[in-house]
Amino acid sequence: GENVEQHPSTLSVQEGDSAVIKCTYSDSASNYFPWYKQELGKGPQLIIDIRSNVGEKKDQRIAVTLNKTAKHFSLHITETQPEDSAVYFCAASKNTGNQFYFGTGTSLTVIP
Amino acid sequence: KAGVTQTPRYLIKTRGQQVTLSCSPISGHRSVSWYQQTPGQGLQFLFEYFSETQRNKGNFPGRFSGRQFSNSRSEMNVSTLELGDSALYLCASSFGHQGFAEAFFGQGTRLTVV
Repeated sequence: GENVEQHPSTLSVQEGDSAVIKCTYSDSASNYFPWYKQELGKGPQLIIDIRSNVGEKKDQRIAVTLNKTAKHFSLHITETQPEDSAVYFCAASKNTGNQFYFGTGTSLTVIP
Repeated sequence: KAGVTQTPRYLIKTRGQQVTLSCSPISGHRSVSWYQQTPGQGLQFLFEYFSETQRNKGNFPGRFSGRQFSNSRSEMNVSTLELGDSALYLCASSFGHQGFAEAFFGQGTRLTVV
């Protein structure tokens, strides 16, 4: 089955700095890669996603890159703000339904 | 547009009991997936239902079961509860068609088994 690894497990940055979270996957058949943000006491919230036919996608301060050859994808958050503090999960899917394989999460702390 | 609604938000059950959790997907969504989230194992896929049929199943014992109704609402049931079943149970909904449908999660049901 698919195995998704995520690094780092914790990340602290100063407000205004950038944050980068990296994930690798093992199954070359995976073709959809969403990123979720989970705040305390809430369910995961979809923040950005990328499909395997695209190398990069950007939405305001958030961007995701995908390298299919190396089987890794990354989340980039620029100009971080305290409200970006949360746990971030990457996931991979083979588009055969909504079965996602999740990374272990990155706890991001933005220090004011 | 209302989001994914899970009820109840919190549950405390005793070992050996059974429990039923409910999920109402976003209007128009036909796929509902269930996940178990624990500090040790992270987010693990339980099963997915689409148009009342189970489409995928994760690696969980048969004590975990689910169903979906004609209005796309879904329930999951856990029988003979064990202490290790304590977790946040999350439901996600999507249109469910082939073609990279985004999945949206509810706030979860926090189950504590004592």
